[in-house]
Amino acid sequence: AQSVTQPDIHITVSEGASLELRCNYSYGATPYLFWYVQSPGQGLQLLLKYFSGDTLVQGIKGFEAEFKRSQSSFNLRKPSVHWSDAAEYFCAVGSRSGGYNKLIFGAGTRLAVHP
Amino acid sequence: EAGVTQFPSHSVIEKGQTVTLRCDPISGHDNLYWYRRVMGKEIKFLLHFVKESKQDESGMPNNRFLAERTGGTYSTLKVQPAELEDSGVYFCASSQPYHYEQYFGPGTRLTVT
Repeated sequence: AQSVTQPDIHITVSEGASLELRCNYSYGATPYLFWYVQSPGQGLQLLLKYFSGDTLVQGIKGFEAEFKRSQSSFNLRKPSVHWSDAAEYFCAVGSRSGGYNKLIFGAGTRLAVHP
Repeated sequence: EAGVTQFPSHSVIEKGQTVTLRCDPISGHDNLYWYRRVMGKEIKFLLHFVKESKQDESGMPNNRFLAERTGGTYSTLKVQPAELEDSGVYFCASSQPYHYEQYFGPGTRLTVT
């Protein structure tokens, strides 16, 4: 069965520090992978996606993620965190069936940013 | 272009009552999805519409939940009667035909007391 694991429930970093959020997935075929962010009081916003091709994908807000098939991982990175990045981050895999895409989410990683 | 909207943003009801949540997808998005996050757990798929037809309702918890999508536009999710374990945040998402990116609404926080 398809699944997504985000091992870190909560992470705290200092503003300006680098960030890496981990995501591991289980999926039988080539996955469609997504990172979403939920800021306080907001809905889920798509940060970036991977479907095929270049394994390093760029997203909005300075985020990037790297797809590593051998490790079944799709970790999210940012070189320098801003206080406004404090939010909850969700990794998801698309369970494609019959031409559509049902998302399977990880449990989320809550990011706190120290000034 | 307006995003996915959901109404209400928050609903507090008593056990046994009925609640109806509404979702308006992005115009032109044939695919509409409902998801739910219960108390800090994973966001879980409930069901998927293509236009007015239910494509997949495998995630619906039980027959107390009824989803409709009138004329392929907005969708409603009714919970009747509500139970305590139904509390959580209900998200709606939409996507264009043959596109896999889903765009989410702000969610409706449902509290059943």
